[in-house]
Amino acid sequence: ELQLLESGGGLVQPGGSLRLSCTASGFTFSDYAMNWVRQAPGKGLEWVSSIGGPGDDTQYADSVKGRFTISRDNSKNILHLQMNSLRADDTAVYYCAKDGHARNGIWDWFDPWGQGTLVTVSS
Amino acid sequence: EIVLTQSPGTLSLSPGERATLSCRASQSVSSNYLAWYQQKAGQAPRLLIYAASSRATGIPDRFSGSGSGTDFTLTIRRLEPEDFAVYYCQQYGRSPPFAFGQGTKLEIK
Repeated sequence: ELQLLESGGGLVQPGGSLRLSCTASGFTFSDYAMNWVRQAPGKGLEWVSSIGGPGDDTQYADSVKGRFTISRDNSKNILHLQMNSLRADDTAVYYCAKDGHARNGIWDWFDPWGQGTLVTVSS
Repeated sequence: EIVLTQSPGTLSLSPGERATLSCRASQSVSSNYLAWYQQKAGQAPRLLIYAASSRATGIPDRFSGSGSGTDFTLTIRRLEPEDFAVYYCQQYGRSPPFAFGQGTKLEIK
């Protein structure tokens, strides 16, 4: 069964750092691009970052560029999001999601999604 | 950068009725790289439709997607009680950002 399990969320002070992880199972992890999407409390979905299957192509939303780093360990089937210089408006549930199709040059739809991990930035 | 605008913001209907949700893009979505997701309270989003009109695995055929270019529609015929949720459209493809619309809340009338 295909499964994505996020971890690493919690309470952090403004300016602090946090590293999220997403452990994948049930598919050939290295074949698929992976993504992070966040949702602030009571708000809509916001795409955060994506990484290609081999890990050499990364994309970021302007709101997190220069502060967040996406990476992956294909030997362990784990996706990471390193979040630095955190701000109050980074408070959200962070979801990892698998690209729906394995193909080069196209970033695809997101399917499935993990259950999410809550990040709270507050003093 | 493509901006997706969903309408209406809230749609109030009764079970058994037909729902029509709109997603309009600020510029043409290449190759109809447009997806629809359903999110119920406290749950992660679930893929319903990809490539504008292809139903995802396990999605009932009462859900259908249509449209091209800048105008896309998600139609749910004969609403079931479990269909009341928030729906998002998203564009994907060659160039980020992979924007989401702001969502349409489908509520029971």
